[in-house]
Amino acid sequence: AQKVTQAQTEISVVEKEDVTLDCVYETRDTTYYLFWYKQPPSGELVFLIRRNSFDEQNEISGRYSWNFQKSTSSFNFTITASQVVDSAVYFCALSGTTSGTYKYIFGTGTRLKVLA
Amino acid sequence: DTEVTQTPKHLVMGMTNKKSLKCEQHMGHRAMYWYKQKAKKPPELMFVYSYEKLSINESVPSRFSPECPNSSLLNLHLHALQPEDSALYLCASSPPGGWTEAFFGQGTRLTVV
Repeated sequence: AQKVTQAQTEISVVEKEDVTLDCVYETRDTTYYLFWYKQPPSGELVFLIRRNSFDEQNEISGRYSWNFQKSTSSFNFTITASQVVDSAVYFCALSGTTSGTYKYIFGTGTRLKVLA
Repeated sequence: DTEVTQTPKHLVMGMTNKKSLKCEQHMGHRAMYWYKQKAKKPPELMFVYSYEKLSINESVPSRFSPECPNSSLLNLHLHALQPEDSALYLCASSPPGGWTEAFFGQGTRLTVV
C-alpha cells in the first residue's frame, strides 16, 4: 500500500522565520517519486519540488530546500525566511502504481500561516 | 503552454440536473486525472486516463461519468448528484509514468442543492 503522512496539521510562524514541513511516506515500489505542492486559497495546486527515490542529494532552490532520507522514509521541506505570501496549505505527494498506471497520492496537508 | 484549463470555475446544480465539467491541456500529456477535494481535506483520486483509456476508477459512484474524447480533453459528466458531492473538482495532467509532476487546473467549485 502507498501512503503519505503529514503529522503537522497547522503551523504558525512569524515572517522571516524558517519553517520545516514534515512528510513520511510508505511504498513498496523500488522506484518512486516525491513531490511538494502548495495550495493557496484560490484552490490551484502549484508544484514546488520533485525528488526521485534513487537520488538522495538534498538541494536548495531559492528559499526552498528539502531533506530526503530513504532510511527513514522522510521527505521534509523547508522554507527559509518565510513571507506572508507563503501562507497556504502544503501537500506532500507520492507517485505510485496501481496495475501499472501511475497515480499521485497526497498527504493530509499542512496549513502554514505566516504572520506579519 | 503549461496550463490546465477547467470550466466552469463555479457550478451550482440541483440534484436532478445533468451537467459536465471540462478540462483541457495542450502540453502533450497522455495521462489525465480527476480529483475530488472536500474542504480541509487532501485531493482524492477519482479517475485516471492513460492514452485516452480509463485506467483507474477508484470505486466512484456511477453518477460521475468520465470521458476522454481526445488526448487534450477530459470531461466529467454529472447526473443525480447528492449534496455531499459538493466539493472542488480538480483536473490534472502529466506524462504517463509518474516520474514528473502533475499539472493541475484551478478546479471547479461544485455546489449541489
